[in-house]
Amino acid sequence: SQQGEEDPQALSIQEGENATMNCSYKTSINNLQWYRQNSGRGLVHLILIRSNEREKHSGRLRVTLDTSKKSSSLLITASRAADTASYFCATPGGYQKVTFGTGTKLQVIP
Amino acid sequence: DTGVSQDPRHKITKRGQNVTFRCDPISEHNRLYWYRQTLGQGPEFLTYFQNEAQLEKSRLLSDRFSAERPKGSFSTLEIQRTEQGDSAMYLCASSLVSSIPGELFFGEGSRLTVL
Repeated sequence: SQQGEEDPQALSIQEGENATMNCSYKTSINNLQWYRQNSGRGLVHLILIRSNEREKHSGRLRVTLDTSKKSSSLLITASRAADTASYFCATPGGYQKVTFGTGTKLQVIP
Repeated sequence: DTGVSQDPRHKITKRGQNVTFRCDPISEHNRLYWYRQTLGQGPEFLTYFQNEAQLEKSRLLSDRFSAERPKGSFSTLEIQRTEQGDSAMYLCASSLVSSIPGELFFGEGSRLTVL
């Protein structure tokens, strides 16, 4: 079963615009991670935010976490065509098993 | 370090045939995971190894599925008597025990099509 639900399921923006995607999860967590997947490829780890953090930045990525609402958001600023991919939130569980959300499919139009 | 390697990348088979996928994790990574991903969905956990021990299996892993990791290095995932519902991308990931929890390194996946 999926732990997280991303919103929106799909997002289409123009190059240069910002993209925001949201994730809601069900159980308490120690950290939350975001992954990226290009079409037909494996997943790549993007960024981690710990449960005691509210915001984290990495390059053009900004992640927020609200543990009271069990939600997180990923902001990609100044989007590029190369950012076109699916983005998943993920939470670790027992035995470090990672449970993924349903994903947001982002299309950046040049 | 060549990353996580999966073979084959694509497999087309007829219903009822057996298929086997191989995963070579990043060297020295002692944790290895198998996930399945269907179109438009996130990866779903199948099973997890720490070294050669299979420590957890999902209910998704029916009796037709078997995974092994002899000697704690590469792993194989075998599907017997394939069904059309087995069509999916099978993803392998690895990590170190000392890694940040949840930080997995994925291979490019093995896409299975069952006709």
